[in-house]
Amino acid sequence: GAVVSQHPSWVICKSGTSVKIECRSLDFQATTMFWYRQFPKQSLMLMATSNEGSKATYEQGVEKDKFLINHASLTLSTLTVTSAHPEDSSFYICSARGGGWWDTEAFFGQGTRLTVV
Amino acid sequence: QKEVEQDPGPLSVPEGAIVSLNCTYSNSAFQYFMWYRQYSRKGPELLMYTYSSGNKEDGRFTAQVDKSSKYISLFIRDSQPSDSATYLCAMTGGSQGNLIFGKGTKLSVKP
Repeated sequence: GAVVSQHPSWVICKSGTSVKIECRSLDFQATTMFWYRQFPKQSLMLMATSNEGSKATYEQGVEKDKFLINHASLTLSTLTVTSAHPEDSSFYICSARGGGWWDTEAFFGQGTRLTVV
Repeated sequence: QKEVEQDPGPLSVPEGAIVSLNCTYSNSAFQYFMWYRQYSRKGPELLMYTYSSGNKEDGRFTAQVDKSSKYISLFIRDSQPSDSATYLCAMTGGSQGNLIFGKGTKLSVKP
């Protein structure tokens, strides 16, 4: 299957600082990228959907000013958690879809474990 | 009622057993059904992908979709300890639609 690389795999930051997470599609062009948040023993909760070159669409209850998403190219999307607080600590996962025959299948990054102290 | 229901388990089976994982859903518009495997602290990995009703087999894995009952299954034959993971079902109505995930079932295969 296609490869999606997410970086970093884990990060610890101080409360009030910002953290940027990168999601790259390595061998296909990702027309759509999704950002999820996953709490322990819970399913993936969609935070936002981004299409290359346009503004992200955020799910209800997700603060767009806090979780900044940029999808500047067909292979890269970034999620920036601004002014992080301990309650933002979670597992963040991106997924990407390309065009063509696999346009329904979503391939996931390895996830980023964020801990805000 | 949640759109997708999945028993979270945990499910513990001996090596070699046949495992049956299931999800039910309420939205009749769902057409695309997937099963993902997620190891601890990792992103989900696509296992099986099925469109509409029917069966699909890939090695030891078989995915079944029964749209009339709004019920999907994943069967694992000859289960191995390396199959120990959380299995998530996911589905969507359109090819560009957002995936709706089940909570995931944690499976443990004991040697």
